[in-house]
Amino acid sequence: DVKVTQSSRYLVKRTGEKVFLECVQDMDHENMFWYRQDPGLGLRLIYFSYDVKMKEKGDIPEGYSVSREKKERFSLILESASTNQTSMYLCASSFDGMGNTIYFGEGSWLTVV
Amino acid sequence: GEDVEQSLFLSVREGDSSVINCTYTDSSSTYLYWYKQEPGAGLQLLTYIFSNMDMKQDQRLTVLLNKKDKHLSLRIADTQTGDSAIYFCAEKGSNYQLIWGAGTKLIIKP
Repeated sequence: DVKVTQSSRYLVKRTGEKVFLECVQDMDHENMFWYRQDPGLGLRLIYFSYDVKMKEKGDIPEGYSVSREKKERFSLILESASTNQTSMYLCASSFDGMGNTIYFGEGSWLTVV
Repeated sequence: GEDVEQSLFLSVREGDSSVINCTYTDSSSTYLYWYKQEPGAGLQLLTYIFSNMDMKQDQRLTVLLNKKDKHLSLRIADTQTGDSAIYFCAEKGSNYQLIWGAGTKLIIKP
């Protein structure tokens, strides 16, 4: 079974703190994604990566950066957390970017106070 | 731009059928998907339909696609309490990214 693991399920951080959200997949997938999920807004793509060290901006990259130093690991970084970044963050990986091959982690609930 | 719309809530009685609707704008979509998100969990692929099909059935699930109206629906027969979840519609956009709806929360009344 494909497994996408997000290191933290629940985090509480202070405004201005640097936040790292880690994601690891075990299926040697090329593509990895970070989404943000907010009620009534569905999933919005923050960044995606199609290979090691390669990244592309999604729909809402402002305030975020990413790192993909190894194929299995894709990190989302909030350089200076703000309260409007309180949200659920979902990591996903995919063999080919098709919706029938995309697998999601369980999500990380981030609260910024 | 490309957009996917679905209503935010649907309430049905246990044992009834649930029909969750979705409209999309990209007529070139090749695949359309339904994902299920149970409370506290990530998203899981429920089913998908290729654009040259108009119906797909899988046990209690029936997907109907009306390409002319760009309308997709998911019917769940004999809805059970375990079907309580948020259901997301998604289409494969003009690049390989997925375009997501806001999700429909299915509420089951006893």
